Amino acid sequence: SQQGEEDPQALSIQEGENATMNCSYKTSINNLQWYRQNSGRGLVHLILIRSNEREKHSGRLRVTLDTSKKSSSLLITASRAADTASYFCATDSTGNQFYFGTGTSLTVIP
Amino acid sequence: DTAVSQTPKYLVTQMGNDKSIKCEQNLGHDTMYWYKQDSKKFLKIMFSYNNKELIINETVPNRFSPKSPDKAHLNLHINSLELGDSAVYFCASSGDSRETQYFGPGTRLLVL
Repeated sequence: SQQGEEDPQALSIQEGENATMNCSYKTSINNLQWYRQNSGRGLVHLILIRSNEREKHSGRLRVTLDTSKKSSSLLITASRAADTASYFCATDSTGNQFYFGTGTSLTVIP
Repeated sequence: DTAVSQTPKYLVTQMGNDKSIKCEQNLGHDTMYWYKQDSKKFLKIMFSYNNKELIINETVPNRFSPKSPDKAHLNLHINSLELGDSAVYFCASSGDSRETQYFGPGTRLLVL
């Protein structure tokens, strides 16, 4: 049963602009995480937000979580060409496994 | 000093063959996972092992058999390969909290 679903599927912005991507999920969660995948590489953990948190920051990343709407957003501020990658949300309900979506493909144009 | 490594990186083989993918982590983690990522980038968990014991076995054909000789290794053996097995397979590991997963670089399997 797939949990996280990212939106939009693809996003193209100019360098310096902000990028916002969203994630919706279906059941109650313990935490939600965002991962990044560069082309041809494995996923890299970016940030984790717990179910009792509403917002979290890490550098140029800002994550929000709305458990009533079962949704999360990832904001990347002042984007750079190096931010070009696919971004996945992953939800953890049981502490044993994560459900990933199909990701948002972000292209930052220099 | 790669944290999670997989071999081979690329695997091209004929239908019906049997192949193995190896995974090793040097992070001292107790939990390891195998994921399959299809052409649409959907990432689906296949198996999870904790201290060499299977804790998650999603709906995966029994042609796929994970083997964990020790907690630093989780290998994936695939029998009678089919065209639909073509995908990228990722190994991952996590520590005690199981909150953050560390992924390997992936094995790109192409079945002809």
